[in-house]
Amino acid sequence: AQSVTQLGSHVSVSEGALVLLRCNYSSSVPPYLFWYVQYPNQGLQLLLKYTTGATLVKGINGFEAEFKKSETSFHLTKPSAHMSDAAEYFCAVTRGSNTDKLIFGTGTRLQVFP
Amino acid sequence: GAGVSQSPSNKVTEKGKDVELRCDPISGHTALYWYRQSLGQGLEFLIYFQGNSAPDKSGLPSDRFSAERTGGSVSTLTIQRTQQEDSAVYLCASSSRQGGYEQYFGPGTRLTVT
Repeated sequence: AQSVTQLGSHVSVSEGALVLLRCNYSSSVPPYLFWYVQYPNQGLQLLLKYTTGATLVKGINGFEAEFKKSETSFHLTKPSAHMSDAAEYFCAVTRGSNTDKLIFGTGTRLQVFP
Repeated sequence: GAGVSQSPSNKVTEKGKDVELRCDPISGHTALYWYRQSLGQGLEFLIYFQGNSAPDKSGLPSDRFSAERTGGSVSTLTIQRTQQEDSAVYLCASSSRQGGYEQYFGPGTRLTVT
């Protein structure tokens, strides 16, 4: 079975500071991993995904994540936070099938202070 | 339309009533998913359609929940005899091989059972 753990339900950073949102996964098969962002009263938007190949994945809005199999982690980072990054972020895993359901973590709410 | 649309955006209903939630996927997307987002349970998978058939219904919480998809396009999620614990945001997503199987989410339907 697949599962995802997001450490920290709330993260606060200053504008311009490094953003680090943590995600650890559990999977019995090679996983596909995703980060989604949700702005208030909106649906989910894909930030980036790892399927196979290069373990450092770059996404939209300057975000990137690194798949570390040895640590079962897929942490999301951004070098310099913007006010517009304030949102809720969800890590998700699938079994490595293109049409498999997403299993989500509990989410991390990012606050950005001026 | 350009994205996944859902209707209604908000629905308030009395306990015991039936409700229907509608999802219009992106044109040409063969896969369609329903998820539920609630404070207590986070983001949960409900059901997956490939064309008009549902190979994975494992997330439907009870037999009060059902869904259908017609013409390989529009899907309707029906909740019979609604309970207060059904209050949540119901999200729909669609995907296609041409789109790299990325799941595109709609804005959701916020259901409140009073």
